[in-house]
Formats: sequence, C-alpha cells, structure tokens
Amino acid sequence: DVKVTQSSRYLVKRTGEKVFLECVQDMDHENMFWYRQDPGLGLRLIYFSYDVKMKEKGDIPEGYSVSREKKERFSLILESASTNQTSMYLCASRLTGATEAFFGQGTRLTVV
Amino acid sequence: DAKTTQPPSMDCAEGRAANLPCNHSTISGNEYVYWYRQIHSQGPQYIIHGLKNNETNEMASLIITEDRKSSTLILPHATLRDTAVYYCIVRVGYGNKLVFGAGTILRVKS
Repeated sequence: DVKVTQSSRYLVKRTGEKVFLECVQDMDHENMFWYRQDPGLGLRLIYFSYDVKMKEKGDIPEGYSVSREKKERFSLILESASTNQTSMYLCASRLTGATEAFFGQGTRLTVV
Repeated sequence: DAKTTQPPSMDCAEGRAANLPCNHSTISGNEYVYWYRQIHSQGPQYIIHGLKNNETNEMASLIITEDRKSSTLILPHATLRDTAVYYCIVRVGYGNKLVFGAGTILRVKS
C-alpha cells in the first residue's frame, strides 16, 4: 500500500516562529501536494510539486513556501507563523498518469 | 479546472442508496469527474472517476449526464461507516492540479 506520512499529527507553535511541516511518501510518486483544510472551506491547494526542485503555486500560497530536495519528501514552510495559519494541513502524492491521489493523515497546527 | 457545486449536507438511512449530486456546468470536453471522500480525522480517499460513460467499482457507481453538466455518485447500500464529506472534482485528464470544493456532508443514520 502507498503510504504518505506526515511528521506530526498535532503541532502548537508561537506567532512569528518558523514552522516546517514534513511529508514523506514511499511509492516514488512524482507529484506531491500541500493543502489546508478549514471548516466550511473544504481543502484548498497551497503548493504542489511535479518533480524534484520543481514547484507551482496553488490557490493560497501567500505566507507559505515549499521545498522538494528529494523525490520522496515535500516540506511546507511557514516563514513567520501567524494565528490565521491555524488549520489542518494535508499532504498528498500521485503518480503521473495515475488517477488516484493518496493523502496523509494530516497535521493539525495551532499558532498561538 | 471547472468549478463544481454540491449540496452542503444530506442524510441517508442505513441500508438505503445514497445519491450525491454534483453540478459542473462549465466542464470541458477533456475534463474528468472525480469523487473523493473524507472520513472524520482521516485524509481524503479516492472513490471513483469518469469521463462520459457511467462507471462502477466495488465502492460506488458514477452516473454522468449525457451533456456532462452534472453527475451523481451512488452508494448502493449505505452503512454508518459511509458517513463522511464527499468531494466532487473535475480536472483535465491526468493534470497535476487537484482542486477540492467544500463537498457534501453525508450522514448515514440507523
């Protein structure tokens, strides 16, 4: 089975801190995604990557950056965390040409 | 990618068929319809997809209207474990971007 693993299930950070959310997949997928999920808004795409060192902005990239140095790992970075970035963050991966995307369990980030 | 419209919530009796509608009136000829669901505290899970023909797998059936402007996901015998948020998505073939809307909360009740 494909496994997408996010480094933390719950995270509490202070305003202004630099925050790293890590995601690792074990099936050699080219494409990886970061979403945030908020009540009533569904999943919103922050960034995605279709290859190592390649990235594209999603619908809400402001306040975030990403890093993809290795194929299996996709990191989401909050340069200076703010309270409005309190949310559930979901990572996904997908093989190019495949129909199904696989999601991690999510990281619930609280910024205080 | 075309935008989708789904009802915010629906209820279904256990053992009955659950029919979840989705409108995608601006869908293009090369865009597929995908359905995912998200059970509480888990990441979304792929259910089914289709282009213009009806599709069926072990989880569900997908009915797409002839003009492709709407579709219906059918769970033939809903169980309590099918209670989840169901997302209808349209996107180009195997394009990279996967954009989710707000989805439909399906509550299956005994």
